[in-house]
Amino acid sequence: QKEVEQDPGPLSVPEGAIVSLNCTYSNSAFQYFMWYRQYSRKGPELLMYTYSSGNKEDGRFTAQVDKSSKYISLFIRDSQPSDSATYLCATPNSGGYQKVTFGIGTKLQVIP
Amino acid sequence: GAVVSQHPSWVICKSGTSVKIECRSLDFQATTMFWYRQFPKQSLMLMATSNEGSKATYEQGVEKDKFLINHASLTLSTLTVTSAHPEDSSFYICSAREGGGGNIQYFGAGTRLSVL
Repeated sequence: QKEVEQDPGPLSVPEGAIVSLNCTYSNSAFQYFMWYRQYSRKGPELLMYTYSSGNKEDGRFTAQVDKSSKYISLFIRDSQPSDSATYLCATPNSGGYQKVTFGIGTKLQVIP
Repeated sequence: GAVVSQHPSWVICKSGTSVKIECRSLDFQATTMFWYRQFPKQSLMLMATSNEGSKATYEQGVEKDKFLINHASLTLSTLTVTSAHPEDSSFYICSAREGGGGNIQYFGAGTRLSVL
């Protein structure tokens, strides 16, 4: 079982839709959770990070963590064509160097 | 947010030559930097972790002599692909983690390496 599982998509939605991106993880010791956005041929850009359970909102983006079910989500409201990218969930591993485990990424396309 | 600069963004080289990629943290001190490789439609694959002033820790299956990593200062790490071959063609991305125990990694824009 992979430590972080993510549906690779692709996911196509019309402009203005609410997008739900999800990941599951296997290690209950994970505490921090990040969402990165990666445009084609670019490095990942940090969108949001959360610690433990709960919600965190930043503009049109909401990150949600449910530790009881080991489920993390990213919601995008009023999606725009510029949101079209690959979204990666990530969590630091335990250990001295805090290596990060990434999901495979979900490719999102927002259609005008 | 924290900025990580990576250069060059794209490099083409002949087989057998060496290529150096630089990764700089511009507005913070990075005690730890990471080097990743990414193939098309795949996720990031960690190659090695480097700490300032010490030898890099390589992931299983990554050739230390092929991919030389130097982390000489708190703001600069370099990856040198030695004697590059076409199979080394890939997208290489660095990231940096702030000192003080922060868990967030900030990424460079990546380097596309094409070996002819």
